[in-house]
Amino acid sequence: EADIYQTPRYLVIGTGKKITLECSQTMGHDKMYWYQQDPGMELHLIHYSYGVNSTEKGDLSSESTVSRIRTEHFPLTLESARPSHTSQYLCASSPSGEMDTQYFGPGTRLTVL
Amino acid sequence: AQSVSQHNHHVILSEAASLELGCNYSYGGTVNLFWYVQYPGQHLQLLLKYFSGDPLVKGIKGFEAEFIKSKFSFNLRKPSVQWSDTAEYFCAVNRYSSASKIIFGSGTRLSIRP
Repeated sequence: EADIYQTPRYLVIGTGKKITLECSQTMGHDKMYWYQQDPGMELHLIHYSYGVNSTEKGDLSSESTVSRIRTEHFPLTLESARPSHTSQYLCASSPSGEMDTQYFGPGTRLTVL
Repeated sequence: AQSVSQHNHHVILSEAASLELGCNYSYGGTVNLFWYVQYPGQHLQLLLKYFSGDPLVKGIKGFEAEFIKSKFSFNLRKPSVQWSDTAEYFCAVNRYSSASKIIFGSGTRLSIRP
């Protein structure tokens, strides 16, 4: 059982609000990731981090930002939510040396009205 | 562009039927290959993975997958499915030099009729 947590699990919010999606892992993994997933579609990597103070944009352009101040914490922030941000956001982590096996959190389903 | 293709979007089977889900990728060179599964209401979790060695890989719950390099394929199989196998299955590929960036397919939804 992977120890990776995401809060909130569900969020419905109005346009223009600032939101932060939380992701924490207790496994001491160096690498962490954020994916965006729409129903019936592939997961798209939007941000990743190889360690503290390291963040990179992923393959899918996103208006969100991330930070990695602590190993266990990798929050994702949207400064001004829009309906186009409605999606499921999945956080994952992987340990160095385990050949990229990723452990996923339960996801946050975001709806922007 | 790099891609992972899962041609079956939704598969419906009866219990005890045999299963094969297709996965093809578009990279040359060394790759790491994964199948992930997401049961209803649960986290996405690793089903099996291939890094090197025997191209026939066995995973949890009786699943296996075969890496065929010449066909750029990594199909998932199970000889006899159960109702509890109802889930969404994702194939994923990581190019060995791509520093942990994994590309996922669009997923196959498997429904098992009891």
